[in-house]
Amino acid sequence: DAGVIQSPRHEVTEMGQEVTLRCKPISGHNSLFWYRQTMMRGLELLIYFNNNVPIDDSGMPEDRFSAKMPNASFSTLKIQPSEPRDSAVYFCASSFTRGGGQLQETQYFGPGTRLLVL
Amino acid sequence: GENVEQHPSTLSVQEGDSAVIKCTYSDSASNYFPWYKQELGKRPQLIIDIRSNVGEKKDQRIAVTLNKTAKHFSLHITETQPEDSAVYFCAASPFSGSARQLTFGSGTQLTVLP
Repeated sequence: DAGVIQSPRHEVTEMGQEVTLRCKPISGHNSLFWYRQTMMRGLELLIYFNNNVPIDDSGMPEDRFSAKMPNASFSTLKIQPSEPRDSAVYFCASSFTRGGGQLQETQYFGPGTRLLVL
Repeated sequence: GENVEQHPSTLSVQEGDSAVIKCTYSDSASNYFPWYKQELGKRPQLIIDIRSNVGEKKDQRIAVTLNKTAKHFSLHITETQPEDSAVYFCAASPFSGSARQLTFGSGTQLTVLP
C-alpha cells in the first residue's frame, strides 16, 4: 500500500503566483480531507469530500482557495493568487467511511506539501 | 461547531516516567476520539482511538480514557522512552450523517529526557 501521495513535497513561489497541490488518496478510500498546519493556527481542516462530492468547505480561508476532486483517485487544492500568509504545510488525508455514518474510520495522512510564498 | 482544547502545550518527563495529556470537547454529539503523533517534519499518524461506547482503551504502553459526562478524554503513556518525543494531537468527531470530520486540539510537545 503506497499510502496517501502528495505532490509536490516542497513548493517555493512568489506572491501572486498560482499554486496547485495534488493528492492521491489510498485506493478504496471514499473520503478525502485537506488540512493546513501552521505554528500559529495548528492543524485546520480546509475542506473535505465524500464520494468525490465536497461536503464542507467552511474551512477554506477565502476565495483564493479552491479544491476539486474530479475522480476517486485524485484531488487538487489551488491557491490563486498566493500570498505570504499562505505559507504552511498542507496535508491531504483519506479514509473509508461506511454507509450510515455510524463509524468514524481512521484518517491516514499524506507526507504533506511544504509551501513557502515569498 | 466542535471546539477541542488540549493541555498542556508542552510536557517534559524523565525516561521511564508516565505522561498524561488531557483534552476537552464541546459538542456532545462527538462520538469518536483519535490521538495522533507527529514527529518533527513528518505526517500525523494515528496511535490510538476510542469511541463513545467505551470508557477506556489500552494498547501496550498507551491508553486513552473518555468521560462523556464531563466531555473530556486523556492520553496516558507509561514507561516513556526517548522515541516517544513528538507532538501529540487529540481530535474529536461528531456523527453528522453523511460524513465525518475531525476537529484537532492545539497539540502537546512531549519531550522525554534520557
